Amino acid sequence: DTEVTQTPKHLVMGMTNKKSLKCEQHMGHRAMYWYKQKAKKPPELMFVYSYEKLSINESVPSRFSPECPNSSLLNLHLHALQPEDSALYLCASSQEETDTQYFGPGTRLTVL
Amino acid sequence: QKEVEQDPGPLSVPEGAIVSLNCTYSNSAFQYFMWYRQYSRKGPELLMYTYSSGNKEDGRFTAQVDKSSKYISLFIRDSQPSDSATYLCAMRKWDRDDKIIFGKGTRLHILP
Repeated sequence: DTEVTQTPKHLVMGMTNKKSLKCEQHMGHRAMYWYKQKAKKPPELMFVYSYEKLSINESVPSRFSPECPNSSLLNLHLHALQPEDSALYLCASSQEETDTQYFGPGTRLTVL
Repeated sequence: QKEVEQDPGPLSVPEGAIVSLNCTYSNSAFQYFMWYRQYSRKGPELLMYTYSSGNKEDGRFTAQVDKSSKYISLFIRDSQPSDSATYLCAMRKWDRDDKIIFGKGTRLHILP
């Protein structure tokens, strides 16, 4: 299995909602990542979870919070988002942080 | 068959050599082709962007698209150790479609 899966594919939420994005891989990778991608732009790294240690891009607001329940799962909890947070959210994983990253198909998020 | 196929490498070449990176794809609807470079713990950065078939040159980098063969290439001339990174091909169907399909990336090492 060389897939990174993400659910849901699409999500529409209001600014007062709480929702979560889910990412899963069964390749035994030790590093997982969340990216945000706006239209026609390359993905921007948000979080790195590697060997149970979380690294955060300091520009990411606190209304995004990652959670890693186990080595195969990475969630992104969303709370009190703004319309400008509407984007494609990509998850990726790699064997080690220096290795090739495998990207999931993404969750398209719309904040109303 | 996956939409985009890319050999993950690693690919090791001596400094000064010409590097050839390639991707194949299955969907003839793809029209926009990109190459990204990604350093460890960083998001991908866009290197080259081409539309439809043909060549595009930018400094030491040349991108080629052969739509008849569904094959794209990135050539790096006079390779430098600083070119060591993961290179991802990516493509999308039309300009307003912000869903980019990434290849898995090729890890490149330039040996001094």
